[in-house]
Amino acid sequence: QSVLTQPPSVSGAPGQRVTISCTGSSSNIGAGYDVHWYQQLPGTAPKLLIYGNTNRPSGVPDRFSGSKSGTSASLAITGLQAEDEADYYCQSYDSSLSGYVFGTGTKVTVL
Amino acid sequence: EVQLVESGGGLVQPGGSLRLSCAASGFTFSDYWMHWVRQAPGTGLVWVSRIKSDGSSATYADSVKGRFAISRDNAKNTLYLQMNSLRAEDTAVYYCARQRMAANDYWGQGTLVTVSS
Repeated sequence: QSVLTQPPSVSGAPGQRVTISCTGSSSNIGAGYDVHWYQQLPGTAPKLLIYGNTNRPSGVPDRFSGSKSGTSASLAITGLQAEDEADYYCQSYDSSLSGYVFGTGTKVTVL
Repeated sequence: EVQLVESGGGLVQPGGSLRLSCAASGFTFSDYWMHWVRQAPGTGLVWVSRIKSDGSSATYADSVKGRFAISRDNAKNTLYLQMNSLRAEDTAVYYCARQRMAANDYWGQGTLVTVSS
């Protein structure tokens, strides 16, 4: 069972803005550990989308943005496109587990 | 171009063993910490293990501790995962991934491990 909780699904029409939350605790996000976000298209390996809470790797559109506050983090997708339909996962480090943890995952559907 | 290519997956009986490999190219392998992450069919990502760049230290998820061993051969640019005492719940696609800035910036395509009698 994951220690980072995400909504199972979010949806939006093309062009809209959607946000995905990632709720942790005082032993992971709340302890100051960075949050990273990954996009997994159907049948493919995960791809790094956001690292260090707010940073985009080269090649990731600026429609994707990340934020962190307290024991939670969020991923926002603005100008939603059909190609954004995928599963999204947050990731952090947990000091009580002495290991890395992923969120439960969120499926984004473009209506 | 950074490439990570996993191999070694397959069908194994409960209680059996398997060794996965991850061949790295396109970067200086010995400079990076490396991870294994797995994903059971239809479920989410689960972190399995991590090893430091020089192989001096490794950490494991509680679910595999004592059964799995991560290692690397920097001369061969290859990461390994030795999996013993396999259980049905270990069935998953196993990905190797490079760590940079505490995140996993490159991933392999994955190799499927099926534990079944």
